[in-house]
Amino acid sequence: QVQLQESGPGLVKPSETLSLTCTVSGDSITGRYWSWMRQPPGKGLEWIGYIHYSGTTKYNPSLESRATTSVDTSKNQFSLKLSSVTAADTAVYYCARGYYDSRGQSEPFDVWGQGTQVTVSS
Amino acid sequence: DCVMTQSPDSLAVSLGERATISCKSSQSILYRSNNRNYLAWYQQKPGQPPKLLIHWASIREPGVPDRFSGSESGTDFTLTISSLQAEDVAVYCCQQYLHTPRTFGQGTKVEIK
Repeated sequence: QVQLQESGPGLVKPSETLSLTCTVSGDSITGRYWSWMRQPPGKGLEWIGYIHYSGTTKYNPSLESRATTSVDTSKNQFSLKLSSVTAADTAVYYCARGYYDSRGQSEPFDVWGQGTQVTVSS
Repeated sequence: DCVMTQSPDSLAVSLGERATISCKSSQSILYRSNNRNYLAWYQQKPGQPPKLLIHWASIREPGVPDRFSGSESGTDFTLTISSLQAEDVAVYCCQQYLHTPRTFGQGTKVEIK
């Protein structure tokens, strides 16, 4: 059974950098694409970006200047950094498996972490 | 971006009755190589992450009850719950996975009348 678990600070100060890690169990991080999404209070889901185990990344243009993802294959983890946060970045952040499959074909997000609440406040 | 617009924002349905949710994409999400619409439906219960119900507009994920069905017509998509059960109370959202960035509908809240 594949499981994803987000971890990181629940409170971040304005202008600082949000840092989250997603630990994958039950599946190897290699050969797959892994994504980050977020959901502000009372709003819909927003895709943030993806990372492939090879290091290939792509981001939502709305966040491209502030988002960075990385992967640690030895720990079966991938991470998200979002710089210069404001109150508008307050949301539940999810990691998920998917974007492309191992053959490079587009696929939906089939496994999600439980999500972690991040609040931006001084 | 490909904008996904759902309607209604919420609906209340009696137990055992049909619930119908619509989703419209602002662009074609048809992949001509396989003639498939790259449209997924998710169910999100309070305090839980989204759960993938349907992909390719009408293909149910393993374990999803057959009262859930998806249909398509051009850029219009529909999720139908044929006989609403208490455990189906949730927010349902659609998502296109053909274009970058991937985009989601705003969600439709389904409640019991």
